Amino acid sequence: EDQVTQSPEALRLQEGESSSLNCSYTVSGLRGLFWYRQDPGKGPEFLFTLYSAGEEKEKERLKATLTKKESFLHITAPKPEDSATYLCAVGAGNMLTFGGGTRLMVKP
Amino acid sequence: ETGVTQSPTHLIKTRGQQVTLRCSSQSGHNTVSWYQQALGQGPQFIFQYYREEENGRGNFPPRFSGLQFPNYSSELNVNALELDDSALYLCASSQRTGTSEAFFGQGTRLTVV
Repeated sequence: EDQVTQSPEALRLQEGESSSLNCSYTVSGLRGLFWYRQDPGKGPEFLFTLYSAGEEKEKERLKATLTKKESFLHITAPKPEDSATYLCAVGAGNMLTFGGGTRLMVKP
Repeated sequence: ETGVTQSPTHLIKTRGQQVTLRCSSQSGHNTVSWYQQALGQGPQFIFQYYREEENGRGNFPPRFSGLQFPNYSSELNVNALELDDSALYLCASSQRTGTSEAFFGQGTRLTVV
């Protein structure tokens, strides 16, 4: 059974304090590792797809990396507007299996 | 380019009733997936539709059913509502089957009382 675990569950940072979110996974036949951002009461917003170990992608203050067992979302010098829940999902077959998310709060 | 739109945004139903949720897929996308997200949890896959046929199903009972129309829009129907069905229901569209990049709508918040 495919499984995705995200840590920490919640993270509080000061503005400008860089950190990393972790996504550990077990899946048979990985067809992509996906990162989404979700604001309260809204649908997830697509951020990145990673397909193979060693791959990296960047967008503004966010950088996602992938190994064979886990992915990291690095946040450099975060701003209050980066506050959200960050979801990781693995693709296998026709479905995405999501982790529980990391709730990030960035204080000014 | 229009994104994924869902209706209604909020809904309150009584236990035992039936509900229909609607989704219009993003322009150029032919695949629609539905997810259920309970409060404080990640989304869970309900099913996927491609070319008007169910193309994969998660661990949900048969009272969860769906349709896809020729214009790729979709409906999610839930019969005999239970209190535990209260959740945010998300529709996601993608350009092809499998797990190509999926783009989500804003969701429908269903409350069963």
